[in-house]
This record gives sequence, structure tokens and C-alpha cells, in this order.
Amino acid sequence: NFMLTQPHSVSESPGKTVTISCTRSSGSIASNYVQWYQQRPGSAPTTVIYEDNQRPSGVPDRFSGSIDSSSNSASLTISGLKTEDEADYYCQSYDSSNLWVFGGGTKLTVL
Amino acid sequence: EVQLVESGGGLVQPGGSLRLSCAASGFTFSSYEMNWVRQAPGKGLEWVSYISSSGSTIYYADSVKGRFTISRDNAKNSLYLQMNSLRAEDTAVYYCARVEAGPYYMDVWGKGTTVTVSS
Repeated sequence: NFMLTQPHSVSESPGKTVTISCTRSSGSIASNYVQWYQQRPGSAPTTVIYEDNQRPSGVPDRFSGSIDSSSNSASLTISGLKTEDEADYYCQSYDSSNLWVFGGGTKLTVL
Repeated sequence: EVQLVESGGGLVQPGGSLRLSCAASGFTFSSYEMNWVRQAPGKGLEWVSYISSSGSTIYYADSVKGRFTISRDNAKNSLYLQMNSLRAEDTAVYYCARVEAGPYYMDVWGKGTTVTVSS
């Protein structure tokens, strides 16, 4: 099994761009798709990125995803930050035993 | 409207049992794989269990294997999680989530039900 490691927290000002990383501990980041979920306080998670870089309908194009094989990591980038983007963000992938793996989550503060 | 509604949470003593339910509506439940995901107080998301659309394929996280049982009743549009031998570390909000099968991800989540294991 592998782990997905995220920074505990990030902060940035409204209108700016922020990137949240998700590093896979073993095995290639490219071997299984990565998803990103947003969870606002007191609410259930919602998907903002699936299959590394795809946005579900209704998710603004300010949200983008990518993977980098050289660093074995995935990234979620949010541009034009809004106060409503303040939330916890979780990356998620799968292991070879068909188990779902979550990162520890990153708290985004927009100040 | 596509909706998942969990129920069955509550306070239970260590070693006790609880059965969670997830009622699905607004979509063809029998066509979708499902997950249970939990979140301990102040902690991150933890995948708990998966079941295929027919119920024939099931997976569990190591932390619950042998203690929890996932099942579904497609005729009743319902998903279940039988939790036995509960421990304090099982205290969490439990979410059921639908798995979109084209692109493979959890696209619909319930609001969750809270399980507290304490004496």
C-alpha cells in the first residue's frame, strides 16, 4: 500500500493562485487516476477534479489538476481565489488491491 | 433529485454493534457501485468499504476488516454497513457515496450520520 501526503495547510489572498500538492509514497502517481474533493466546514465532500485533470460539470475552470511524474505528485491549482474556496481539500487515488486511498487533507485559508 | 440519506448513527458502547443505512433516490441505484467513507472528529477522510452494483464484489479497509460488513438491497434502493465490535477509534461521521462508473470517482455523497463509541 502507498500513502498520499498533502501539506497540512496553505493560505493565499483573494484573487491570487494557490497550488496544493499530493505526493505518492510508492508506485507511480501516473499508474492510477487522482481525484480531488472539496469539503467546506460542516458539509459533505464534493468532487472538484477527477481523473487527474477533469472537472465535473458545475465546477468553475478556476480549478485545475495535474500530475508530475518527476516528483511523483499530483497538484490542484485554484486561480482567482475567492473566499468561498476556503475549505479542506483531499486528494484520492487507488492501490493495486482496489482499495481507495485518501491524502490527509489540506486546509485552504483565503485571507 | 439525486440524493443519498444516511441513518442509523448514535451512541454505542465499546464492543457494541450498530447498523447504518443509506437510502438512495433520484437514480437507478442498482447500476452504481457504492462506498462508505468516514471522518473522525477533526480528522481527514478515510475510505471504509466498497460494494459493486450487484453486491458480488466487496472490499474493506484493513482498519475495519472482520468487524464491518457492507451490503445492499437493490430492490429497496438501500446500502448498509453492519458494524460489530466497535471501538473508540470508530467514532466518526459516516458518509455513503455513489461511484460514478464512467470516469471512476465518488460523484454523489450523503450528508453523513454520526457514530460515537463511548462508555
